[in-house]
Amino acid sequence: SQTIHQWPATLVQPVGSPLSLECTVEGTSNPNLYWYRQAAGRGLQLLFYSVGIGQISSEVPQNLSASRPQDRQFILSSKKLLLSDSGFYLCAWSVGTGDDEQFFGPGTRLTVL
Amino acid sequence: AQKITQTQPGMFVQEKEAVTLDCTYDTSDQSYGLFWYKQPSSGEMIFLIYQGSYDEQNATEGRYSLNFQKARKSANLVISASQLGDSAMYFCAMRAPLRGGADGLTFGKGTHLIIQP
Repeated sequence: SQTIHQWPATLVQPVGSPLSLECTVEGTSNPNLYWYRQAAGRGLQLLFYSVGIGQISSEVPQNLSASRPQDRQFILSSKKLLLSDSGFYLCAWSVGTGDDEQFFGPGTRLTVL
Repeated sequence: AQKITQTQPGMFVQEKEAVTLDCTYDTSDQSYGLFWYKQPSSGEMIFLIYQGSYDEQNATEGRYSLNFQKARKSANLVISASQLGDSAMYFCAMRAPLRGGADGLTFGKGTHLIIQP
């Protein structure tokens, strides 16, 4: 069966510090991968997605970047965090397109102070 | 551009009663898909049910059913015989085609459902 992991689960970082959040998927090959952010009390906003190794598309301009060094690994990064980067970050995967639902990881709660 | 509207920020329902969570959508696409996700306090997003725009019958999954009214652009989630464990945030979402062949999801702002004993 497929599983998706995210770490760390929670993170408190000072403004201006770097960030690296990791997401890995098991049990599937060549998944589509996604990074979403959820601000407090809000819905999810798609940040990045990837259809293959090294292929990253950004949906909103921001202080963050993403990379996919391996087929089932998706990394969210920042060189210098801003207060507005605080939120709940969710990684998701799907296979193919159309009717397939997206499966979400457990999320990382990031607080920037 | 797509838009999902959930007009109920919060709902209180007695245990064992049926619940209807509202969702309306706006899209210019002829073919689209609608999803409902549940987010308990732990934060994980749990897929509940899917409805394709060309599906002739309303989707059902156990206690969950989707009241799909295409002409009104609504896709309400119905939970029958609610349980205490149903207390959570519920999000309606629409499939959003992306460049390169992937599909993202456009989410509504969610409804916070609280089931009371």
